[in-house]
Amino acid sequence: EAQVTQNPRYLITVTGKKLTVTCSQNMNHEYMSWYRQDPGLGLRQIYYSMNVEVTDKGDVPEGYKVSRKEKRNFPLILESPSPNQTSLYFCASSGPGLAQYEQYFGPGTRLTVT
Amino acid sequence: GENVEQHPSTLSVQEGDSAVIKCTYSDSASNYFPWYKQELGKRPQLIIDIRSNVGEKKDQRIAVTLNKTAKHFSLHITETQPEDSAVYFCAASRGQGAQKLVFGQGTRLTINP
Repeated sequence: EAQVTQNPRYLITVTGKKLTVTCSQNMNHEYMSWYRQDPGLGLRQIYYSMNVEVTDKGDVPEGYKVSRKEKRNFPLILESPSPNQTSLYFCASSGPGLAQYEQYFGPGTRLTVT
Repeated sequence: GENVEQHPSTLSVQEGDSAVIKCTYSDSASNYFPWYKQELGKRPQLIIDIRSNVGEKKDQRIAVTLNKTAKHFSLHITETQPEDSAVYFCAASRGQGAQKLVFGQGTRLTINP
């Protein structure tokens, strides 16, 4: 089954404790992105990747890091989480050519930073 | 950078009536405009999209129109049904395909039986 998976689905952590949210897709997609969703603000892009070792900032990259060492994985790293990073996070991927127009979203990760 | 404004933020319609959601964008270079539906507790899913070389696109009960001159696009849902109740997001791409998407704030659509 074609899918995008994220782990963990729910996470409560404390300020300053480094964490990683994993994202994996099994569709051999080139493109992957991370978004955060906050009430009244829609989804905002954090980072995106066009292929292995190729990443670029989205609209709200501050406080986040990403890496793309393998095509299927695109982890999101919070080196020193703060309460303003409490949010619902989505990973998404899309394929090459015309398929890049349809993004497949993961199930989401709800993060709470206290 | 690109800015997408979406209206209304909430919309309530009677079952069987039509619903219209409108978005404006700021970057005239944007060339791809998708609409996503997000049911409660679920992930966003693409329902329809339009590219800048097309003025209108229809898929059964949903349609999207694009006015490049005015920089606005709209989602039209006809013969609404209870399962249409969800949050709808418009987006615009200022880059290649869907890779650099900027989303609107979302519209919560409620269909009243």
